Amino acid sequence: NAGVTQTPKFRVLKTGQSMTLLCAQDMNHEYMYWYRQDPGMGLRLIHYSVGEGTTAKGEVPDGYNVSRLKKQNFLLGLESAAPSQTSVYFCASSSWGAGTDTQYFGPGTRLTVL
Amino acid sequence: AQSVTQLGSHVSVSEGALVLLRCNYSSSVPPYLFWYVQYPNQGLQLLLKYTSAATLVKGINGFEAEFKKSETSFHLTKPSAHMSDAAEYFCAVSDTGFQKLVFGTGTRLLVSP
Repeated sequence: NAGVTQTPKFRVLKTGQSMTLLCAQDMNHEYMYWYRQDPGMGLRLIHYSVGEGTTAKGEVPDGYNVSRLKKQNFLLGLESAAPSQTSVYFCASSSWGAGTDTQYFGPGTRLTVL
Repeated sequence: AQSVTQLGSHVSVSEGALVLLRCNYSSSVPPYLFWYVQYPNQGLQLLLKYTSAATLVKGINGFEAEFKKSETSFHLTKPSAHMSDAAEYFCAVSDTGFQKLVFGTGTRLLVSP
């Protein structure tokens, strides 16, 4: 079991460029989440999904889009990167909602936008 | 709205000393509460969770937390710190629909020899 994996681990973008972060889980979990972590601000939820084909906005969705075409994958897209999106991004998954169930986190993607 | 407050962005203890990390919550419904730990350059992992069963919850690595409704607190403790406990600790509360968590800003635990 690989658990939750994230691709890539590091990325440097220029302002205005686009990219997609891939999250994959092999635990057959229904719920998947994308967070960003910034110093002194904890983890903030960007978007989440309660099942294949569904997505919902979290606390800080602006500038990001997501898709969950397959149950095991959750993609996070940045259409036009901005320096304010420099952050560490974490994906997580859980069988049931994170409000009751254990979330399993990926190792993170460190993104720098110049 | 649900929220958590973690007092102290950094806590320093000596090896063998008591660890106390503070968390206070605000919730409009009976909450589920969590502590997650993040070791350097890793993702978060669950330390323990309160789901309205026992008010004293035991977690991994000797940590425990007590739910106190009257104080709206869920402080994390460990009787004797170990060097390997150095990490960042996050308290989190469930949202009203129990689909999401609201995380605190984290407390970095430093353990000195």
